[in-house]
Amino acid sequence: QVQLVQSGAEVKKSGASVKVSCKASGYTLTGYDISWVRQATGQGLEYMGWLNLNSGNTGYAQKFQGRVTITRDASTNTIHLELSRVRSEDTAVYYCAGAKGAVAFDVWGQGTLITVSS
Amino acid sequence: SYVLTQPPSVSVAPGQTARITCGGKNIGRRSVHWYQRKPGQAPVLVLYDDRDRPSGIPDRFSGSNSGNTATLTISRVEAGDEADFYCQVWDTDNNNPVVFGGGTKLTVL
Repeated sequence: QVQLVQSGAEVKKSGASVKVSCKASGYTLTGYDISWVRQATGQGLEYMGWLNLNSGNTGYAQKFQGRVTITRDASTNTIHLELSRVRSEDTAVYYCAGAKGAVAFDVWGQGTLITVSS
Repeated sequence: SYVLTQPPSVSVAPGQTARITCGGKNIGRRSVHWYQRKPGQAPVLVLYDDRDRPSGIPDRFSGSNSGNTATLTISRVEAGDEADFYCQVWDTDNNNPVVFGGGTKLTVL
């Protein structure tokens, strides 16, 4: 089955950019989309965007358009989430999650805590 | 954009049945997925397509979806079931294709 392993926690200053990685492995990666979902303390899950592992096509939730970029390194099956101009409200745990199209997210990364300090 | 509404909290005694609702306009026409998130852990899929259980999820977890309400039912609740539960659907809005409910904290008394 697919496994997703994320990069470690980071602390960033307001206004900086942060990049989180998610390495996908497994025999059944074909057809998977990898999405990014975040959760701030005391808040619910918030969808940010997706990338198709086969085509590299991406899509972003409206709230994050212009500030989020999702890319991939096809040679290592690593997906990157870059969030620019971070602010305190971006402090959250960021998860990558996999799904074969518009279905349930059946695999999740372990989460990466991003802390934004002023 | 589409909105999913969950009760903030549900409390139940061990051995009893917990029901967590997820409200949305004509949600019965959509496929609803449910996730369990325990403190410090990533979400885990517990039900997909309204009522199907992934491998490894006990049959104490069941679901239904009709009209404007989807329901996650947990029978014979155990202390280890205490967690936050989230419902999720896909929407045709390309600007916001994935919608999560606000989450329900299940407390086992």
